[in-house]
Amino acid sequence: SQQGEEDPQALSIQEGENATMNCSYKTSINNLQWYRQNSGRGLVHLILIRSNEREKHSGRLRVTLDTSKKSSSLLITASRAADTASYFCATEEYGNKLVFGAGTILRVKS
Amino acid sequence: DAGVTQSPTHLIKTRGQQVTLRCSPKSGHDTVSWYQQALGQGPQFIFQYYEEEERQRGNFPDRFSGHQFPNYSSELNVNALLLGDSALYLCASRLAGVANTGELFFGEGSRLTVL
Repeated sequence: SQQGEEDPQALSIQEGENATMNCSYKTSINNLQWYRQNSGRGLVHLILIRSNEREKHSGRLRVTLDTSKKSSSLLITASRAADTASYFCATEEYGNKLVFGAGTILRVKS
Repeated sequence: DAGVTQSPTHLIKTRGQQVTLRCSPKSGHDTVSWYQQALGQGPQFIFQYYEEEERQRGNFPDRFSGHQFPNYSSELNVNALLLGDSALYLCASRLAGVANTGELFFGEGSRLTVL
């Protein structure tokens, strides 16, 4: 079963615009992570936010975490065509098992 | 620094057959996890190996089994293949213990098609 639910399922924007993806989860977590996947290939880790953190930045990425609402958001600023990919949130449970959502497909048009 | 490598990249099997997928973790990593990703879905956790033992298991039947070798590489075996086993199988590695940053490093996956 998948814990995370990403919203929207698909997002299409113009190059230079910002992209926001949301994730909701159900149980208590150690941390929440975001991963990127290009065309059904391997996943690449983007950013990790711990349960006691509220916001984190990495380059053009900004992640927020609201544990009271069991939700997170990923913001990609000034998007580029190369950002076109699927984005997954994953919650870390006991024993470092990751539970992934179904993902958001992002298309950035140039 | 070699990342996570998986083999084969693609394979086709028929129902009832058995398959073995292989994974070499990132250099220095000692913990290996396997995930199944069906088309259009997120990855689902199958199991995790550390010190040559299965440490955690997801909601997968006993047809799915694994092994970890002394060099930390791992195999995933699936017996009595079903059409529903068609998926991308991903291997991921990390360091255990206090060196664990939480981040998983994934291989490019093995795409299994069951006919």
